[in-house]
Amino acid sequence: DIQMTQSPSFLSASVGDTVTITCRASQSITTYLNWYQQKPGRAPKLLIYGASSLQNGVPSRFSGSGSGTDFTLTISTLQLEDLATYFCQQSYTIPPITFGQGTRLEI
Amino acid sequence: QVQLVQSGAEVKKPGASVKVSCKASGYIFNGYPLHWVRQAPGQSLEWMGWINPDKGTTKQSQNFQGRVTITLDRSASTTYMELSSLRSEDTAVYYCARDAQHFHFWSGSAFYDMDVWGQGTTVTVSS
Repeated sequence: DIQMTQSPSFLSASVGDTVTITCRASQSITTYLNWYQQKPGRAPKLLIYGASSLQNGVPSRFSGSGSGTDFTLTISTLQLEDLATYFCQQSYTIPPITFGQGTRLEI
Repeated sequence: QVQLVQSGAEVKKPGASVKVSCKASGYIFNGYPLHWVRQAPGQSLEWMGWINPDKGTTKQSQNFQGRVTITLDRSASTTYMELSSLRSEDTAVYYCARDAQHFHFWSGSAFYDMDVWGQGTTVTVSS
């Protein structure tokens, strides 16, 4: 199985900041990388697919980049509502689809 | 609107089975595969498998050693996930999620991203 490792596991930032979350795959996954946001007690929400494509309805302050093994999710002009845990997910080799361990963002 | 509505919370004893349902509405059911993903308390997400309602085919994670069965009822726009031989480690929130059907521009391969999620079903395994 392809292992996905996120860093950091926990991140504290302030409103208006720009933050970056990193996801590293155990082997190349080209651009088969998706990002999700999960707020406490809620189901995950799709933010980015194909490493850099913004899902419909997601604010443009969210952006994704990377290919191969290293990927980043950037949130610019942080808002209070961005308090959540963020997960990356690979789909290059399935089954199984695998997720990172998550990055908890505190505002 | 597009939504997935799951069945209610379950409490099961070790060794038993649980069957969770996921009813789709607001879109053409056969047009989108459906995934099952679980999340143990305080843990990350774990993919269990998916079903293609159009073809009736399934893919499952081998990490469950054949304990997962995913089925569907097209007439009810509903998919089901049954997990057998339950153990305490199976205590988790179980989600169904619709595959967004996004594809790589060059290769045509699917990204298997999930754009609509059910509300989750809590399954507790305890003696």
